[in-house]
Amino acid sequence: QGQLVESGGGVVQPGESLRLSCAASGFTFSTFGMHWVRQAPGKGLEWVAVLSFDGSNKYYADSVKGRFTISRDNSRNTLYLQMNSLTAEDTAVYYCAKGRTSSGYYTYFDYWGQGTLVTVSP
Amino acid sequence: EIVLTQSPGTLSLSPGERATLSCRASQSVSSSYLAWYQRKPGQAPRLLIYAASSRATGIPDTFSGGGSGTDFTLTIARLEPEDFAVYYCQHYGSSSWTFGQGTRVEIK
Repeated sequence: QGQLVESGGGVVQPGESLRLSCAASGFTFSTFGMHWVRQAPGKGLEWVAVLSFDGSNKYYADSVKGRFTISRDNSRNTLYLQMNSLTAEDTAVYYCAKGRTSSGYYTYFDYWGQGTLVTVSP
Repeated sequence: EIVLTQSPGTLSLSPGERATLSCRASQSVSSSYLAWYQRKPGQAPRLLIYAASSRATGIPDTFSGGGSGTDFTLTIARLEPEDFAVYYCQHYGSSSWTFGQGTRVEIK
């Protein structure tokens, strides 16, 4: 049974940076594409970014493009999200999620973490 | 971008009753790329249905999905106490993963 555990959330000021981590276990992490999804307070789920199994192919939502970077360390079974130039609109619970394909495309998410809260506030 | 609209926003039902949740897409989508998730407070979202009608591993047969084109449904045949939660539909594609805004199923 796969498990994903996010960490790294917290309270930051506008313009600051934060790096989220997602530790994976219970499946062969290095063979699946991985995603970040967020949910702002009172809002729905918003997909953020995808990364292929080997880190070679990544894609971002327009709302975070140029500010966020998704990466992974397959030797550590860990997914990351580097978030720069944060604004209040980035305040959300951030979830990592596992895809069913190596590319991360054309896939639903079969495992999710419980999320980590990021609050951007002056 | 495909927009998914779920209805109703909230469904108030009693345990044992049948729940029917709707997910409408702004344009026709392949049923191969439509999923449903359940989310309870403080818990990770759980995959229920993928490819519109295939149940995920461990999901009881009281949950069923259907539909095609622009209209999809999630049906819970008989609500158990643990089924009261928020449900989301999702379309997944080549470079697009969009979610509906969710339907809350609450105890009447």
